[in-house]
Amino acid sequence: AQKITQTQPGMFVQEKEAVTLDCTYDTSDQSYGLFWYKQPSSGEMIFLIYQGSYDEQNATEGRYSLNFQKARKSANLVISASQLGDSAMYFCAMRENIGYQKVTFGIGTKLQVIP
Amino acid sequence: DGGITQSPKYLFRKEGQNVTLSCEQNLNHDAMYWYRQDPGQGLRLIYYSQIVNDFQKGDIAEGYSVSREKKESFPLTVTSAQKNPTAFYLCATTGASGSYEQYFGPGTRLTVT
Repeated sequence: AQKITQTQPGMFVQEKEAVTLDCTYDTSDQSYGLFWYKQPSSGEMIFLIYQGSYDEQNATEGRYSLNFQKARKSANLVISASQLGDSAMYFCAMRENIGYQKVTFGIGTKLQVIP
Repeated sequence: DGGITQSPKYLFRKEGQNVTLSCEQNLNHDAMYWYRQDPGQGLRLIYYSQIVNDFQKGDIAEGYSVSREKKESFPLTVTSAQKNPTAFYLCATTGASGSYEQYFGPGTRLTVT
């Protein structure tokens, strides 16, 4: 079974609108971490936001927020006030407690922001 | 500047040749990783190392080899045994505290013909 599932191959959003990128995960660990990364066309991976499994509050970093629903095992990324520079691939990833420094990535969602 | 360097950015090789991809970091991070990315795909773990002189196979280690003789360096060799070596290769590190987010290098795009 896939550990990280991103079901949206591509998304479009109008500039200045908000967009939600979906991510569900599968783990039997109690302690784990969830990450979102952005990959522009240049190829580098940029860390955006982190949510720990024991964090009660949803993580926020500027225009990025993570909608963490533990019971549903979902960790959706919300980007508010989209900008043209947000056009990129977005990857959800998970670090499990076992082999704690090993991270599993989803296949990504391509976001395109329309002017 | 602190960061991760990978060289070269583009690499071309003939089939049957071994090739070594460089990854150097000055972040003083213990853990280093190599990932492979194919078009339209996520990242797949090749090898990782948590300390010097120690490394573990990831999910797709066949046809690859690594060494970790120094904390700063984690070179990846793509051997002739790797059946489909053409891909984008990313090196990453992880710090020892906090969320363990990964820091990535700019990547090397390897083309084998």
